[in-house]
Amino acid sequence: EPEVTQTPSHQVTQMGQEVILRCVPISNHLYFYWYRQILGQKVEFLVSFYNNEISEKSEIFDDQFSVERPDGSNFTLKIRSTKLEDSAMYFCASGQGGMGNEQFFGPGTRLTVL
Amino acid sequence: AQSVAQPEDQVNVAEGNPLTVKCTYSVSGNPYLFWYVQYPNRGLQFLLKYITGDNLVKGSYGFEAEFNKSQTSFHLKKPSALVSDSALYFCAVRDDRGSTLGRLYFGRGTQLTVWP
Repeated sequence: EPEVTQTPSHQVTQMGQEVILRCVPISNHLYFYWYRQILGQKVEFLVSFYNNEISEKSEIFDDQFSVERPDGSNFTLKIRSTKLEDSAMYFCASGQGGMGNEQFFGPGTRLTVL
Repeated sequence: AQSVAQPEDQVNVAEGNPLTVKCTYSVSGNPYLFWYVQYPNRGLQFLLKYITGDNLVKGSYGFEAEFNKSQTSFHLKKPSALVSDSALYFCAVRDDRGSTLGRLYFGRGTQLTVWP
């Protein structure tokens, strides 16, 4: 069964450093998402991406964040200058779009900012 | 505004007993409702969804959920719990008045523990 994969599983970085989180969505999916979960809190939507552009972003997704689909398989989330409050589990998801279709999630990348 | 509430942080049940994990939601339009399960060190796995039609939907691993429009609820149920059902369960909602790309709004999650 196809799965969404994410690398790395854990990332530790110093405040102010740039990080890139990587995802390989399911191959025939066209809609891509990033969510995050701060420890003990809800899973929160960050951004959705379709046809090589951002479709929707939340208030969390400020200028420090960017997404890219650099080739036909990868989908990346970049945080330019990490802050302590960026420490969270980051989930990538992909789907076929449409209201009734579920999204498929990767295992997550745990980001720790020191 | 869209939101999901899971009123119980933890649910504990004995193996073989029925289980219920509660979820209520708030949306502007009609809801599309989902349940996901998260095992340790794994991503969120889709369990089941309600789109339209029959209020009782069946999903993976013997789980089912009942949509109740008047109570704005979508409780997850299983007639006979297994120890292997122990995991973190998330309810999520999508609003049909939102983007067709369909961002999901999640609850906080409920930790289900089934003891032998």
